[in-house]
Amino acid sequence: AQKVTQAQTEISVVEKEDVTLDCVYETRDTTYYLFWYKQPPSGELVFLIRRNSFDEQNEISGRYSWNFQKSTSSFNFTITASQVVDSAVYFCAPGGGATNKLIFGTGTLLAVQP
Amino acid sequence: DVKVTQSSRYLVKRTGEKVFLECVQDMDHENMFWYRQDPGLGLRLIYFSYDVKMKEKGDIPEGYSVSREKKERFSLILESASTNQTSMYLCASTNTKGAFFGQGTRLTVV
Repeated sequence: AQKVTQAQTEISVVEKEDVTLDCVYETRDTTYYLFWYKQPPSGELVFLIRRNSFDEQNEISGRYSWNFQKSTSSFNFTITASQVVDSAVYFCAPGGGATNKLIFGTGTLLAVQP
Repeated sequence: DVKVTQSSRYLVKRTGEKVFLECVQDMDHENMFWYRQDPGLGLRLIYFSYDVKMKEKGDIPEGYSVSREKKERFSLILESASTNQTSMYLCASTNTKGAFFGQGTRLTVV
């Protein structure tokens, strides 16, 4: 069965600091996707990034970057120069396979202080 | 823009009532999901459907059933609501690009 571990329950940083959110996953699928979602206080889940399990090249998109290491089943997410508006709960989710089912971690609450 | 719409943002129901939560998507996705979200537990999968009239149990299906008569609509049913079903319910439809979520329904059972 799929499983996701987000060991960091809460993180508090000061604005402009960089912050990395950790994610370790388990899946039986040989090909899959990995996602990060953000849930601001308004409650809606917002898609952030997607990574195909075939592609371990790490990328940067604006202030977001991610580090995918298939050998350790980790998919960490970094926000550079954090802002107060980044305050939210962040969820890591492996998914795809035959049913495109997403399994979510318990989330990491990020608080960015001004 | 893709759209997933849940019929209610807030609901208050009495213990023992039959409750219907409706979800509609306009993206022609085959896969639809119901999750519940509780503090400290993240999103837990209740049921999913990968085609009309097809359904699969998720991790916590007890006390729930679902209905998918049309591709765009996926209903979650609480046959006899109980107080431990008070939660935020999130509907999603997916393709390989990811999951698209509705705004959520906060259900309170009193």
